[in-house]
Parts: sequence; structure tokens; C-alpha cells
Amino acid sequence: DQQVKQNSPSLSVQEGRISILNCDYTNSMFDYFLWYKKYPAEGPTFLISISSIKDKNEDGRFTVFLNKSAKHLSLHIVPSQPGDSAVYFCAPPNTGNQFYFGTGTSLTVIP
Amino acid sequence: GAVVSQHPSWVICKSGTSVKIECRSLDFQATTMFWYRQFPKQSLMLMATSNEGSKATYEQGVEKDKFLINHASLTLSTLTVTSAHPEDSSFYICSASPLTGYQETQYFGPGTRLLVL
Repeated sequence: DQQVKQNSPSLSVQEGRISILNCDYTNSMFDYFLWYKKYPAEGPTFLISISSIKDKNEDGRFTVFLNKSAKHLSLHIVPSQPGDSAVYFCAPPNTGNQFYFGTGTSLTVIP
Repeated sequence: GAVVSQHPSWVICKSGTSVKIECRSLDFQATTMFWYRQFPKQSLMLMATSNEGSKATYEQGVEKDKFLINHASLTLSTLTVTSAHPEDSSFYICSASPLTGYQETQYFGPGTRLLVL
């Protein structure tokens, strides 16, 4: 049972444009979400988070939006840079004994 | 497909004992497995990267002698927390990258919750 889904396995964006990565979840009890970034041959590193009491959190070029009614969150990167090319994962916090992680979206920023 | 399992899913142990956590890729072979720990409401933190048949690469600040990693086959990696102490209580997660196909894909295990009393 996949409680977090990233339906787009890949995305290509021109440098300087906006990248939008989407994530859907099913468990309305999740109260916190995190986005991770992963470069080839490396483990994911934490990027940005959002609490369910907010609908937006911004950190530099990265903004995460949360739509609780739709159980949907998105990560916006603007302007996109070639160094942003990586795989991005969304994840709620671990609850109980379960850990959920999206399947990831591979972003390619074309120079 | 692409399932990663972890065993046990949770463990409670006394301070000073050692705990072994297994990470298995069930339907694919993994060139690389990663081990993470996560404290409540905090982000995932990479502990080490292990490649089959070679020594693990540990992240800065992670004690090699404390967290022993063995990656003996393409489907199994183990993390042993030696002489566990209460501060080692955490959520440990592994992930595995497949040998074939899109090798940058990473599949995560469900995690192991460790409580050291």
C-alpha cells in the first residue's frame, strides 16, 4: 500500500524556467512532509519541509505547497539550474513502525 | 516489483547489547545499499553507503566501529549496532539501488525502529 505517490517518474525543464514536482498522499493524519534530493550514486539529502499547519514554505529558490483537501503537495524550483538535476523524493514523517517514501521524480534541467 | 524488506521491523534491547538489522532486496539485485537513521520529526540522515563485496563508506560523524555494515551479497546488507546505548534509539532505514535498469532509482525498506533501554 503506497501511501505516498509521485506519479511523474521524470521531468525535463529548460534552465531558468520553473520546475514543478508533485506528490500525492492518502493518509490525512500525516502532519509533516519532507522533500529530499538525491544525486547519482549518493543517498538522499534533506531539502525542505512543510508542516500541515501551513500551506506554503519557501527557502530560496525552493518552495513547497501543501493542499490538504486534495492531499497533494508540490515542490517548485525557480529558476531551475543544471545543478538541480537530481531525483527528488517526497516523504511524510515516519509514523508508528512504518516509513513511507515517494518513488521519486528524476529532474533534468537542460542548459 | 522492487521490494526492499527490513528485519526486524522493531526491536527493544538493553543497553550494552548488539542489534543486527537486515536489509534485503527481494526481487532484484542491488549494487549499492544505503543506511539511514531518522529521529522523530527530523529528516533522514545518511549513515553509510555499502557496495557488495567492499567496505562501506561512512558519512562524517558516523562511528564505523559502532555501526558495522556488511554487504555480503547482492541482495543482503546488514547493519549491526554494537554495544547499543539509549542515544542510539532511532528509526533505521535502508535503501537499495538495482544492478540493472535505471540504476539511480532507489527503493526504500520500511524501516526498523530501535529502542535501547
